[in-house]
Amino acid sequence: EAGVVQSPRYKIIEKKQPVAFWCNPISGHNTLYWYLQNLGQGPELLIRYENEEAVDDSQLPKDRFSAERLKGVDSTLKIQPAELGDSAVYLCASSRGQAGDTQYFGPGTRLTVL
Amino acid sequence: AQKVTQAQTEISVVEKEDVTLDCVYETRDTTYYLFWYKQPPSGELVFLIRRNSFDEQNEISGRYSWNFQKSTSSFNFTITASQVVDSAVYFCALGSGNTGKLIFGQGTTLQVKP
Repeated sequence: EAGVVQSPRYKIIEKKQPVAFWCNPISGHNTLYWYLQNLGQGPELLIRYENEEAVDDSQLPKDRFSAERLKGVDSTLKIQPAELGDSAVYLCASSRGQAGDTQYFGPGTRLTVL
Repeated sequence: AQKVTQAQTEISVVEKEDVTLDCVYETRDTTYYLFWYKQPPSGELVFLIRRNSFDEQNEISGRYSWNFQKSTSSFNFTITASQVVDSAVYFCALGSGNTGKLIFGQGTTLQVKP
């Protein structure tokens, strides 16, 4: 069974530029998560989708971040415009859908904003 | 509020030594889930174990064992006869039984020297 796929693995951009990250969850997993991981810290949830619906986006900075999960499968996370402080690893995870189900993580996208 | 504390920031051991990684959690949920993940230098979070709040049985998987004690709100992880390949950052996480949201600790960096 294929794991969570993310692309790109690395992205370097200049501040004020837009950037997008893509995630394909494990087949059959209804719930999809985007996490932010700063250097030396644990991941923090940005947004959680159940199928197409964003059920928890309370930690997503909506002035510059947006996300979508069309058709309840793949998801895209966008930042526009990027700031220096956005440099971090963006992790995508998926689970079957019940609370407490194991979340499986992708390899992440390491973003560097110059 | 939910919180996970991993008091050990870094641990260094010599190969074949046993090592225990501590995890203390706080939650008001009666149903919750505890997880351990491993993050090797490659960056991907690898799932190790999941326990629910109703199952306090300790678990052993090869060289890995976990000690869950609700009385002290702890979920400690022991590696027996450590190996260089065990070098990584280890995260303990608490999952809500209501929302499934994961709260991660700060992580413990384990270095196993040959």
